[in-house]
Amino acid sequence: GQQLNQSPQSMFIQEGEDVSMNCTSSSIFNTWLWYKQDPGEGPVLLIALYKAGELTSNGRLTAQFGITRKDSFLNISASIPSDVGIYFCAGQTSNSGYALNFGKGTSLLVTP
Amino acid sequence: SQTIHQWPATLVQPVGSPLSLECTVEGTSNPNLYWYRQAAGRGLQLLFYSVGIGQISSEVPQNLSASRPQDRQFILSSKKLLLSDSGFYLCAWSLRGNPDTQYFGPGTRLTVL
Repeated sequence: GQQLNQSPQSMFIQEGEDVSMNCTSSSIFNTWLWYKQDPGEGPVLLIALYKAGELTSNGRLTAQFGITRKDSFLNISASIPSDVGIYFCAGQTSNSGYALNFGKGTSLLVTP
Repeated sequence: SQTIHQWPATLVQPVGSPLSLECTVEGTSNPNLYWYRQAAGRGLQLLFYSVGIGQISSEVPQNLSASRPQDRQFILSSKKLLLSDSGFYLCAWSLRGNPDTQYFGPGTRLTVL
């Protein structure tokens, strides 16, 4: 699969702070997805992006599909303790077939 | 709405024993179905996908096999488990013809001793 570089690897923040994480690739992506995974559970889809430049919100979460189609970011505003978990970017290129390419995840810890 | 189920939730098996993990989807018809494995390093690797009953495609050579006996049922099997088969197994579905948006099940934690 295509290499996805996700950063930061981990974040430790205080409740109420805003969070930003991103994914980059050397390949052009047709789709960018952002998932959240809690320990011992499956990833839950947060936001799906299908067009370059697309900016989509889901509550306190906002994600954008980069203009170059090689990057995407996820912002979380006013973080709360239940935001704790691992956030994954994922996507497909024209060569992906049926597989989603996943980043290695950003581990988010929020202190009250 | 659509839901996806996996069982068992956890499984501990000895090396050399057989394996059968089951995944079922409700609330949709003719879905694409997928099996992923998530190793300790967090990355998800696609193992198998299916676009219809009896149609299975393998992404990586391995000790595992998959079957789709019914439209919304996907099974992951092995005749003889290896230690390296330990991991977190995730089933996912997508709409037929739309593989770029996949929804995951709760997962099965497999430990091979």
